[in-house]
Amino acid sequence: KQEVTQIPAALSVPEGENLVLNCSFTDSAIYNLQWFRQDPGKGLTSLLLIQSSQREQTSGRLNASLDKSSGRSTLYIAASQPGDSATYLCAVSGRAGFQKLVFGTGTRLLVSP
Amino acid sequence: EAQVTQNPRYLITVTGKKLTVTCSQNMNHEYMSWYRQDPGLGLRQIYYSMNVEVTDKGDVPEGYKVSRKEKRNFPLILESPSPNQTSLYFCASSSTTLGGSGYTFGSGTRLTVV
Repeated sequence: KQEVTQIPAALSVPEGENLVLNCSFTDSAIYNLQWFRQDPGKGLTSLLLIQSSQREQTSGRLNASLDKSSGRSTLYIAASQPGDSATYLCAVSGRAGFQKLVFGTGTRLLVSP
Repeated sequence: EAQVTQNPRYLITVTGKKLTVTCSQNMNHEYMSWYRQDPGLGLRQIYYSMNVEVTDKGDVPEGYKVSRKEKRNFPLILESPSPNQTSLYFCASSSTTLGGSGYTFGSGTRLTVV
């Protein structure tokens, strides 16, 4: 059974810092990995999608890497801003049953001005 | 704009009163799914559908029903809601073509059953 873990559970940083969020998964047979952002009480916004054959994806100040063999992904946020404050979720879909997206429990990020 | 639309956004109901949460997507996605999100438990899959008339149970299907009569719509039905179904519900859709498009989520439906 696929399990996804995110560390740290919460993170508080001053504005301008570069930061790394970690995601690990137990079964390396994944179809793809997706990072989401969720604001309190709101929906999930897709940030980055990494296919199993890729090693990284970039969008603006965000960079996500994938090391499938070790079961790890990192989300790098450059020059953090208060507007980045949110919960960040990673989710993997497995090759065998790609229809099932398994989520981590998230990292709650607070960026202070 | 490509999107998944859920309605209603907020719903308070009483135990046992049947309700339906609607979900519609405009991306011609084959795959649609329902999740519920609870504190400490994260997001868990309720039901999913690979295409019209093809549905299957996820991890927590008890107390829920779904149907997929049209490709764009995937309603979630609670025939006799109970307080333990109080939760934040999300609908999602995705293409099933090789490579995938990733998942697009709706804005959520916050359900309270009293």
